[in-house]
Amino acid sequence: AQSVTQLGSHVSVSEGALVLLRCNYSSSVPPYLFWYVQYPNQGLQLLLKYTSAATLVKGINGFEAEFKKSETSFHLTKPSAHMSDAAEYFCAVSDRRGGSEKLVFGKGTKLTVNP
Amino acid sequence: GAGVSQSPSNKVTEKGKDVELRCDPISGHTALYWYRQRLGQGLEFLIYFQGNSAPDKSGLPSDRFSAERTGESVSTLTIQRTQQEDSAVYLCASRPAVSTYEQYFGPGTRLTVT
Repeated sequence: AQSVTQLGSHVSVSEGALVLLRCNYSSSVPPYLFWYVQYPNQGLQLLLKYTSAATLVKGINGFEAEFKKSETSFHLTKPSAHMSDAAEYFCAVSDRRGGSEKLVFGKGTKLTVNP
Repeated sequence: GAGVSQSPSNKVTEKGKDVELRCDPISGHTALYWYRQRLGQGLEFLIYFQGNSAPDKSGLPSDRFSAERTGESVSTLTIQRTQQEDSAVYLCASRPAVSTYEQYFGPGTRLTVT
């Protein structure tokens, strides 16, 4: 079965510092992977996705993620944090069995950016 | 263009009452999903619609939960005899038929059962 583990429920960085949010997945088939961001009292917004093309994926707002099959990882990075990046981030894998393509989410990582 | 909309944005109900939550997907999106987000948790899948049919209901937690979709558009999630553990944010998402695989999420309905 598909599953996602996000290491660190809370991550705190200084403005301008590197952001690294960790995601490891388990999938019985080649995975499709996603990072979503959720701002307070809002729905989820797609940051980026991996669907078996380039392993380094660039997304919105300067974020990128690298798919590493050998490590079953899809970590999210941003070279320089902005105050506006403070939000909750969710990694998800698409469950491609049965045709629903439902998303299986990690528990989320709350990012705090300190001035 | 218009995104996924959900109503109401907030709902407070008494334990034992029935509630209906509505989702309006992006026009032309044939796939529709409901998820639940409990405090401090990730999102849990509830049900998937393709058109007006629900081939995957595996996430519905009990028979108090049901959903329907009409006109390959609006969907309603109904919770009967609400319990306090039903308190959560209920999120709806839609996806086009020609899939780029990502789902587009609405803002959610925050349900509080007192």
